[in-house]
Amino acid sequence: GQNIDQPTEMTATEGAIVQINCTYQTSGFNGLFWYQQHAGEAPTFLSYNVLDGLEEKGRFSSFLSRSKGYSYLLLKELQMKDSASYLCAVRGYMGRRALTFGSGTRLQVQP
Amino acid sequence: DADVTQTPRNRITKTGKRIMLECSQTKGHDRMYWYRQDPGLGLRLIYYSFDVKDINKGEISDGYSVSRQAQAKFSLSLESAIPNQTALYFCATSDLGNQPQHFGDGTRLSIL
Repeated sequence: GQNIDQPTEMTATEGAIVQINCTYQTSGFNGLFWYQQHAGEAPTFLSYNVLDGLEEKGRFSSFLSRSKGYSYLLLKELQMKDSASYLCAVRGYMGRRALTFGSGTRLQVQP
Repeated sequence: DADVTQTPRNRITKTGKRIMLECSQTKGHDRMYWYRQDPGLGLRLIYYSFDVKDINKGEISDGYSVSRQAQAKFSLSLESAIPNQTALYFCATSDLGNQPQHFGDGTRLSIL
């Protein structure tokens, strides 16, 4: 099976940097995704990692260490609109590579 | 127009009723998925389909059924709705390989 852990809630200040961690245990590994979800809305894709290292996309970066079963999402220059839930999802080899989602981290950005 | 369209957006119904949630997509993706989202539990996979002739159970398929009528359409049915199926339901699609999933706007279902 697969198990994914993320902090439930985080608070950060506008303009700051925040790191959201995700640890996973999975039967096989074939990639990790980060999604953003504003309250009551659909999740939207942020980033994808399949090899170890850092992937950067503007203000958002995502890091993966497969040996440690660990990823983080780094948000720089926080804006109020970044207040949302951030979902970590892992694709394994079971279930023909369907995604398993963590419970999400609710980030509140304060002025 | 949305690439992944879910209907209805909201539905209130009574215990024991049969409910169908519909999903259609214009992205041309072969893979389609149904999830439910409950507070504090994240997204849980109900069923998924990798092409028109392929249907697979997900993590929580009991009480649900699906139909893949065409590449672009994937519907979810609750044969006899019960209150603990009250949730936000999302349809998603993806292309082959490790492409990300694209989600519809969701259906908020309340069962009284």
